[in-house]
Amino acid sequence: EVQLVESGGGLIQPGGSLRLSCGVSEFSVSSNHMSWVRQAPGKGLEWVSVIYSGGTTYYADSVKGRFTISRDNFKNTLFLQMNSLRAEDTAVYYCARVSSYCAGDCFFFMDVWGKGTTVTVSS
Amino acid sequence: DIQMTQSPSSLSASVGDRVTITCRASQSISTFLNWYQLKPGKAPKLLIYAASSLQSGVPSRFSGSGSGTDFTLTISSLQPDDFATYYCQQSYSTPGYSFGQGTKLEIK
Repeated sequence: EVQLVESGGGLIQPGGSLRLSCGVSEFSVSSNHMSWVRQAPGKGLEWVSVIYSGGTTYYADSVKGRFTISRDNFKNTLFLQMNSLRAEDTAVYYCARVSSYCAGDCFFFMDVWGKGTTVTVSS
Repeated sequence: DIQMTQSPSSLSASVGDRVTITCRASQSISTFLNWYQLKPGKAPKLLIYAASSLQSGVPSRFSGSGSGTDFTLTISSLQPDDFATYYCQQSYSTPGYSFGQGTKLEIK
């Protein structure tokens, strides 16, 4: 079964660091585009970061310079290293596969998601 | 940055009702628009991609339409499992992938 399972969330003090993991089953993390999306309490979904199959990475302005997305092809796992954490980073963090449908243009969408892991930044 | 605005923010409806949710982009995004369903404690679910293409396994009561700046998600006959929060997402200006603020669909 195609599945994503996030882990690594928890309670962390402001300024601290945390590394989230996303275990991938039934497809290769190295051959697919992968993304992190978060949802703060009472708020909507916010895109955080993406790593394309070729290795190029991008970040939302709100996390640029503090978060790093990476993958371990042998462990088939996606990571999000989060440094200098702030209260506003408190959220449920989801990993998702980014797939595409090309018919002239290429349309990108997130077709497989995990259930999320909760990060709470508080003193 | 492209801003996505959904309306309404919340909606009360009954089983069997026809429901329409609107999403407006701050600039033209052609048909680079996706819809997702989110329930507490569950993985988000892709419903519609490329504005009107139904994701495999999604019931046919869900449909999407629109192009340019205005889009709609329609549920033709609400089922109990459909009460959730719905989000639109643009994929025109990648890698931003910005979302709307969500529409919470509640039971009347």
